[in-house]
Amino acid sequence: DVKVTQSSRYLVKRTGEKVFLECVQDMDHENMFWYRQDPGLGLRLIYFSYDVKMKEKGDIPEGYSVSREKKERFSLILESASTNQTSMYLCASTISEGFEAFFGQGTRLTVV
Amino acid sequence: AQSVTQLDSQVPVFEEAPVELRCNYSSSVSVYLFWYVQYPNQGLQLLLKYLSGSTLVKGINGFEAEFNKSQTSFHLRKPSVHISDTAEYFCAVTVHYNTDKLIFGTGTRLQVFP
Repeated sequence: DVKVTQSSRYLVKRTGEKVFLECVQDMDHENMFWYRQDPGLGLRLIYFSYDVKMKEKGDIPEGYSVSREKKERFSLILESASTNQTSMYLCASTISEGFEAFFGQGTRLTVV
Repeated sequence: AQSVTQLDSQVPVFEEAPVELRCNYSSSVSVYLFWYVQYPNQGLQLLLKYLSGSTLVKGINGFEAEFNKSQTSFHLRKPSVHISDTAEYFCAVTVHYNTDKLIFGTGTRLQVFP
């Protein structure tokens, strides 16, 4: 079974803190994605990566950055957390276009 | 750029009734289309997908969807729903020969009543 593992299920951070969300997949997938999920807004793409050290902005990249130094790991970074970044963050991976995306269980981040 | 529209944010239905969840997409090039389901407090899992070929696609749990290129739609259907189908359903699209960007709709909450 493909596993996509997110390092934390729940996280509470203070405004202004630097926050790292980690995602690891174990199936050698090329593509990895970070989404945030908010009620009524569905899943919005923050960033995705199609190869090591390669990244592309999604629809809502502002306030976020990413890092992909190894194929299996894709990190989402909140440089200075703000309360409007309180959300559920979902990581996903796919081997290629047209193939099933596998999701992690999500990290519910609360910024206070 | 591609986009996905799910017009119905909530669909209430009685058990054993048929249901259709609507999805329309916007893209100037060929696409791959997907439906995912998210049960309460769980991650997303794939229900079905359309890549090419037959426009009627069958998925897990008795769901099916029909790709209609002229109407740019990919509606999800089930002839008889169960209580256990209560969940949030997401339509998603990837553009052919692009950088594999996967875009989701806003989701439809299906609530099945006994």
